[in-house]
Amino acid sequence: GDSVTQMEGPVTLSEEAFLTINCTYTATGYPSLFWYVQYPGEGLQLLLKATKADDKGSNKGFEATYRKETTSFHLEKGSVQVSDSAVYFCALSSAGNMLTFGGGTRLMVKP
Amino acid sequence: DGGITQSPKYLFRKEGQNVTLSCEQNLNHDAMYWYRQDPGQGLRLIYYSQIVNDFQKGDIAEGYSVSREKKESFPLTVTSAQKNPTAFYLCASSIAPRGSRYEQYFGPGTRLTVT
Repeated sequence: GDSVTQMEGPVTLSEEAFLTINCTYTATGYPSLFWYVQYPGEGLQLLLKATKADDKGSNKGFEATYRKETTSFHLEKGSVQVSDSAVYFCALSSAGNMLTFGGGTRLMVKP
Repeated sequence: DGGITQSPKYLFRKEGQNVTLSCEQNLNHDAMYWYRQDPGQGLRLIYYSQIVNDFQKGDIAEGYSVSREKKESFPLTVTSAQKNPTAFYLCASSIAPRGSRYEQYFGPGTRLTVT
């Protein structure tokens, strides 16, 4: 079946540091890929998405590229802020419109 | 503003009582979903519905029940048969044409505590 693997956290960075959160997936067919962000005590918010190979999703300074050859969708940001501290989930959607989530990666950004 | 509302934000119940969590959406989405999230964990699917008057069990449906009488509403009942009901419950919705790969949109969640 489908699966998503993301790096375990927490990831602790200083403000303005470069962020990478790794995400790899296994799926049949051609899934859509997503990154969601969850702030403490809140629901998940869609951060960005990509629907086909080589697409780059971007939003709020975050970006991720759909790499079919490496089955990856790594999340990156050039300069993180304290307000980026949250839990980030990688997810995929294959036929049937069901989401498969990774386990989540907690990001802590220190001033 | 279009979105998903869940109420209440915090819910406290005594063991042995059934409790119903509300989820309403005004996005005109066909599909709705319920997830459970435990501290420091990912999301697990409880139930989902692709269309009114139809729903399917997810990975952890035991001890839960749902109904889908209206497109906008997908309430979840946590029954006394659920052994560990204390958790954060998230409702989501999606456009969901058959065979699609669309994103889901989430509500703010309900934190249920059973003592």
